Amino acid sequence: DGGITQSPKYLFRKEGQNVTLSCEQNLNHDAMYWYRQDPGQGLRLIYYSQIVNDFQKGDIAEGYSVSREKKESFPLTVTSAQKNPTAFYLCASSTPAAGYTFGSGTRLTVV
Amino acid sequence: GENVEQHPSTLSVQEGDSAVIKCTYSDSASNYFPWYKQELGKRPQLIIDIRSNVGEKKDQRIAVTLNKTAKHFSLHITETQPEDSAVYFCAASNSGGSNYKLTFGKGTLLTVNP
Repeated sequence: DGGITQSPKYLFRKEGQNVTLSCEQNLNHDAMYWYRQDPGQGLRLIYYSQIVNDFQKGDIAEGYSVSREKKESFPLTVTSAQKNPTAFYLCASSTPAAGYTFGSGTRLTVV
Repeated sequence: GENVEQHPSTLSVQEGDSAVIKCTYSDSASNYFPWYKQELGKRPQLIIDIRSNVGEKKDQRIAVTLNKTAKHFSLHITETQPEDSAVYFCAASNSGGSNYKLTFGKGTLLTVNP
């Protein structure tokens, strides 16, 4: 997966349930990001992290939470407060020299 | 914050023709402009990028132009082939320090008809 791995590939969530999406990178990139992709909406930034133990809200952070306890890992939790979570979620990491590397994505569906 | 507008949302061309996708941005501090290609169900892949210190960059059949004064940049694909069919995204950022966040356009679905 080009050094950045997302799991699972498909995830189903019941109403009122929290779910966590995994993102791991072995590229030694400092910065990591979570984007949400909906048809016709492009990629919208949920959260990003520039260094370990620090992260900032993106444009659509409501209903989501993250942690950055290790440089390699940036998990995203979709909470029950997110009313329309069905989407394709992309994790990425970056350096100025290498640009962005995207994971292969997780498709989340509410059932 | 930055806002990126992308046009057209869909584009259909005949094989061998050229395709042009245009983007505008709002933040005059933005200095890095990548273009991504995304095939159905796959991750976005970087195809070309440009920084604000150049006006044009070319890589085989793909070129990007940048007009900083007008705050717009464009992707040009020549001699299109069916395998060029995909969704293309432009993005912009103010790259500095050790990292940067990208703001994306909403994408252009390019269809190349054989």
